[in-house]
Amino acid sequence: GQNIDQPTEMTATEGAIVQINCTYQTSGFNGLFWYQQHAGEAPTFLSYNVLDGLEEKGRFSSFLSRSKGYSYLLLKELQMKDSASYLCAAMDSNYQLIWGAGTKLIIKP
Amino acid sequence: IAGITQAPTSQILAAGRRMTLRCTQDMRHNAMYWYRQDLGLGLRLIHYSNTAGTTGKGEVPDGYSVSRANTDDFPLTLASAVPSQTSVYFCASSIRARETQYFGPGTRLLVL
Repeated sequence: GQNIDQPTEMTATEGAIVQINCTYQTSGFNGLFWYQQHAGEAPTFLSYNVLDGLEEKGRFSSFLSRSKGYSYLLLKELQMKDSASYLCAAMDSNYQLIWGAGTKLIIKP
Repeated sequence: IAGITQAPTSQILAAGRRMTLRCTQDMRHNAMYWYRQDLGLGLRLIHYSNTAGTTGKGEVPDGYSVSRANTDDFPLTLASAVPSQTSVYFCASSIRARETQYFGPGTRLLVL
């Protein structure tokens, strides 16, 4: 079957670095997406990886290893506004997104 | 309109009633999607449309129907609501099926 696994919750300190891991298993693979979702709001797009390696976008970076079925989202210089849920989603062979349950990131001062 | 809009923002509905959730986008995106989001679960695809005039079933289509008469609108209908359909419903769109999806603000539905 198709499955996405990511930690339920993580806690980090303002100004620090945090890595949120995601493992996936899908029928075919057409890329890995990360979204940010603040409480009570819609998901917003953060990053997309389809080739192995690291994609950097400001304070956020995303990594993909297709052979391991693994991705991570790296957040640097954490700010209080980064407190949110981070959703990992893999696109299968039918171009449908399979979503993880999300990782709730709590930032402490 | 800028982006994707959904209506209503929230709704309390009696079980057995019919309800249509509206979704409109002005980005001329070809593909549109309906998801539900429940606590502790990932977003689950209900129905999708890759282009105007076509629709497809997602992971959890039972009890829901959709239509895509034009590019901009993608309404979701609950024919006879049941309490298990209590959820937050998100509409999304993408330029094409394989591209990044962008989400509307959501509709919070409570079925009693």
